[in-house]
Amino acid sequence: GESVGLHLPTLSVQEGDNSIINCAYSNSASDYFIWYKQESGKGPQFIIDIRSNMDKRQGQRVTVLLNKTVKHLSLQIAATQPGDSAVYFCAELMNTGFQKLVFGTGTRLLSVQ
Amino acid sequence: DTGVSQDPRHKITKRGQNVTFRCDPISEHNRLYWYRQTLGQGPEFLTYFQNEAQLEKSRLLSDRFSAERPKGSFSTLEIQRTEQGDSAMYLCASSFTYRVGKVSYNEQFFGPGTRLTVL
Repeated sequence: GESVGLHLPTLSVQEGDNSIINCAYSNSASDYFIWYKQESGKGPQFIIDIRSNMDKRQGQRVTVLLNKTVKHLSLQIAATQPGDSAVYFCAELMNTGFQKLVFGTGTRLLSVQ
Repeated sequence: DTGVSQDPRHKITKRGQNVTFRCDPISEHNRLYWYRQTLGQGPEFLTYFQNEAQLEKSRLLSDRFSAERPKGSFSTLEIQRTEQGDSAMYLCASSFTYRVGKVSYNEQFFGPGTRLTVL
């Protein structure tokens, strides 16, 4: 039968609108967070990162917000384009003797016309 | 293209066979990581090398799995006696770790992955 894991949360956004993708992380001691974009058949691609001493960081068309109180990250993409359609993962860097990246559940973003 | 390459990109094998994958990291990167990704999930950490030393292995890495990085450059991941549950995308990443003051930087660059199908 089908695995629950195949049913990725999907966000459909009109082309030109802003997208907001949310993520909950698990370890309050994590001090570094990264958003990755993964297109079909490719490896994850770094988008933007943020350290725990910041609440917000902006890049080109992307903004990451960090709320340490509720262990929540969000990725905002301005003026969503067809090329933004992909699966997005947040990842936290855990210091468990060495720095280990732990990925959250992905969100599929679909830019529709 | 991140500069990390993996070979082969696809591998189909029969249950019980051995397979070996190769990863060529970005040349100046001292750290190399292997991850496994199944459909609909995020990558899961398997193991990592700092130069040629394998410093950490996940409990996901059973004794049928072995990884090497003999000269601190490319790495191989071998799976012996493959099982259908080994079917997944195997991703390699590399990074260069450096510090600026008290802050360490460790951005990982991922390769395109090797998709393994065990029949």
